[in-house]
Amino acid sequence: DVKVTQSSRYLVKRTGEKVFLECVQDMDHENMFWYRQDPGLGLRLIYFSYDVKMKEKGDIPEGYSVSREKKERFSLILESASTNQTSMYLCASSIGQVWDTQYFGPGTRLTVL
Amino acid sequence: AQSVTQLDSQVPVFEEAPVELRCNYSSSVSVYLFWYVQYPNQGLQLLLKYLSGSTLVESINGFEAEFNKSQTSFHLRKPSVHISDTAEYFCAVSSNTGNQFYFGTGTSLTVIP
Repeated sequence: DVKVTQSSRYLVKRTGEKVFLECVQDMDHENMFWYRQDPGLGLRLIYFSYDVKMKEKGDIPEGYSVSREKKERFSLILESASTNQTSMYLCASSIGQVWDTQYFGPGTRLTVL
Repeated sequence: AQSVTQLDSQVPVFEEAPVELRCNYSSSVSVYLFWYVQYPNQGLQLLLKYLSGSTLVESINGFEAEFNKSQTSFHLRKPSVHISDTAEYFCAVSSNTGNQFYFGTGTSLTVIP
């Protein structure tokens, strides 16, 4: 079974802090994704990566950056956290074509105070 | 550009009754369509997908969806729901001409005993 793990289930940070969210997949998938999930808005793509060191912006990249130094790991970085970044963050991965089935991690509930 | 509309944000239904969760999409190119399910406190997992071939696709737990190109729809149906089907359901669309997924805003299905 594909396993996508996220470093924390719950995280509380203060405004202005630098925040790192880590995601690891164990199935050698080429593609990895970061979404945020908000009530009434569904999932919105922040960034995705189709190869090591490669990244593309999604629909809402402002205020976020990403890093993919190794194939299995994809990090989401909030350079200076703000309260409007309080959300559920979901990581996903897929093999082969970017547009095919994605496998999701359990999510990180981030609260910025 | 592509988009996905899930008109029903909440659908309550009695146990053993039929259910239909609606999904409409807009796209100027050929699409691939997906339904994902999110059980409480879990990440999303694929329920079923349409890539090509038969327009009627089925999941292992009794759900089915039909791709209707003329109506630009991919509604999800189940003839008899169980308590365990209570979850959030997301419709998603992608295409091989772009490297993005678009998710709907989700439909919360609540099965009432």
